[in-house]
Amino acid sequence: QQPVQSPQAVILREGEDAVINCSSSKALYSVHWYRQKHGEAPVFLMILLKGGEQKGHEKISASFNEKKQQSSLYLTASQLSYSGTYFCGTETGGYQKVTFGIGTKLQVIP
Amino acid sequence: DGGITQSPKYLFRKEGQNVTLSCEQNLNHDAMYWYRQDPGQGLRLIYYSQIVNDFQKGDIAEGYSVSREKKESFPLTVTSAQKNPTAFYLCASRWGGYTEAFFGQGTRLTVV
Repeated sequence: QQPVQSPQAVILREGEDAVINCSSSKALYSVHWYRQKHGEAPVFLMILLKGGEQKGHEKISASFNEKKQQSSLYLTASQLSYSGTYFCGTETGGYQKVTFGIGTKLQVIP
Repeated sequence: DGGITQSPKYLFRKEGQNVTLSCEQNLNHDAMYWYRQDPGQGLRLIYYSQIVNDFQKGDIAEGYSVSREKKESFPLTVTSAQKNPTAFYLCASRWGGYTEAFFGQGTRLTVV
């Protein structure tokens, strides 16, 4: 079952912040975040593991709430290059199955 | 350079024909995946494989088949039983559980 992402789309001006949420109906073992530009392959941003800490990469960070079965991706001081579709992927048990949400389309405008 | 290669980038087929999409990786990854991408539906899992000679159905396996005879290769066959095969297909690989996945550049299949 696909994780649920919200919002489905967001438009930001350069320098603004955004939060993208991902929730699962099943217990999460890990959460993956990727960004995809139109017509290209998704690019890995970060992975959060059960029992792990909040991760960060420059102005993009993420949190993982195991009890609520949720993860959030935080984009601060957005840049034009942040535009794209963001996907969360979840592992909810064994067998290495990774299931992705429908994505959040983010557009950063000048 | 290590990576994951999908070929061809664009593929056209007539309705009723089977077609095989290629996916090769030289990253020495154990796990490989096939996803289908349609507008507004995200990435949906078709099949995945943890090791050679073993694979599992994903969420939308009907009308598709795979094989994993070599560690490096995980071809996907879209059969005539797939009712709506036109889509963007992405292959991915990774070391194993709880590690990042590397995606290929995708194959855009159009069935006419």
